[in-house]
Amino acid sequence: DIVMTQSPDSLAVSLGERATINCKSSQSVLYSSNNKNYLAWYQQKPGQTPKLLIYWASTRESGVPDRFSGSGSGTDFTLTISSLQAEDVAVYYCQQYYNIPFTFGPGTRVDIK
Amino acid sequence: EVQLLESGGGLVQPGGSLRLSCAASGFTFSSYGMSWVRQAPGNGLEWVSVISGSSGSTFYADSVKGRFTISRDNSKNTLSLQMNSLRAEDTAVYYCAKGRSSGGTCYTDFDYWGQGTLVTVSS
Repeated sequence: DIVMTQSPDSLAVSLGERATINCKSSQSVLYSSNNKNYLAWYQQKPGQTPKLLIYWASTRESGVPDRFSGSGSGTDFTLTISSLQAEDVAVYYCQQYYNIPFTFGPGTRVDIK
Repeated sequence: EVQLLESGGGLVQPGGSLRLSCAASGFTFSSYGMSWVRQAPGNGLEWVSVISGSSGSTFYADSVKGRFTISRDNSKNTLSLQMNSLRAEDTAVYYCAKGRSSGGTCYTDFDYWGQGTLVTVSS
């Protein structure tokens, strides 16, 4: 199984400041035949269901604010919130869909400082 | 508008069975792989099972293999999860999730999630 790890476990950022979340997979999730990273990011606000933010590691889902961006390739990935807003308080999960079983990272909690 | 509505959760004793359903609408159901993902209270997300659009392929997490069975009825736009030999560690909110990529593939992320149904396994 591909193990997903995230860092940090939690972070507190001032409003308007940058938040950076890292995700690492135990093996590459880059599929060579199409050069796509099978890596997604989800946001789960308190009491709500998960919401897809980013897929193919860097493609923003329709309707997601452009302050959210994803980067990375192979085994190392980053989710960046360029200017944190109050409504971004949530737990963020990365997920690989390269191999079955699909696996999620443990989550990173983002709060306001 | 895509909608996914789960039902069938509840309290069940260890060793018991439960059948979850997910009613889908707002998209061509047969064109998308569908998954079940669970979340134990206060915990993270755990993928449980996936089925291809045509039902030709099904896969399971090791933790549920041999106990859970995923199925779908494309004529009724319904996804199901039959859960047998339930254990305390199966206690969680179960979400059905729609695969984002069309073509019915299993290997896709999830662009829509239902509200979830709570399964509690306890004596």
